[in-house]
Amino acid sequence: DAGVIQSPRHEVTEMGQEVTLRCKPISGHNSLFWYRQTMMRGLELLIYFNNNVPIDDSGMPEDRFSAKMPNASFSTLKIQPSEPRDSAVYFCASSPDRAEDTQYFGPGTRLTVL
Amino acid sequence: LAKTTQPISMDSYEGQEVNITCSHNNIATNDYITWYQQFPSQGPRFIIQGYKTKVTNEVASLFIPADRKSSTLSLPRVSLSDTAVYYCLVGASLNSYKLIFGSGTRLLVRP
Repeated sequence: DAGVIQSPRHEVTEMGQEVTLRCKPISGHNSLFWYRQTMMRGLELLIYFNNNVPIDDSGMPEDRFSAKMPNASFSTLKIQPSEPRDSAVYFCASSPDRAEDTQYFGPGTRLTVL
Repeated sequence: LAKTTQPISMDSYEGQEVNITCSHNNIATNDYITWYQQFPSQGPRFIIQGYKTKVTNEVASLFIPADRKSSTLSLPRVSLSDTAVYYCLVGASLNSYKLIFGSGTRLLVRP
């Protein structure tokens, strides 16, 4: 298995632009998570999907952030408009079935907003 | 979720055993203890999980005393490739997906 796949690996954009991050979970996994990691705040859970349905989005910073999971093999995290403080590494993770199963993380997308 | 405290950094040499201790004084009865490892430019990777006593897998051992207020991750005979950040997490394994990552312990293995 290729593991969790994220794209792009690096993204540099200017303030105000729309940014879309993509994730392909491990095949057969039913739970998907988006995290953000910064030096100041560490690793934070943004949103959790189970069977393509958002279960908990309490970690989403504000309305500029949105996430979708149109099918079991694809999810997006969108930031519109982006701001410099959104610069971070964004990780996607998936787990097999139950919410408490081990989470497998992708390589991350390093986002820089100028 | 229980707060965890672990050393900010540790140094070791190749071939040595490394023990990283995590304090979690407010651990709840249902809480499990989980350790993740993160290499630079990679996502965290699950290492080991336990509830009490000792758990061992091919990578590490986890020692949990009877009062469960602390736990120790033991890495036998570390190599340079074990240089990473190690996170101790405490939370209820059942019905819990919220992994709360603290600042972790940055382990540096020297030749």
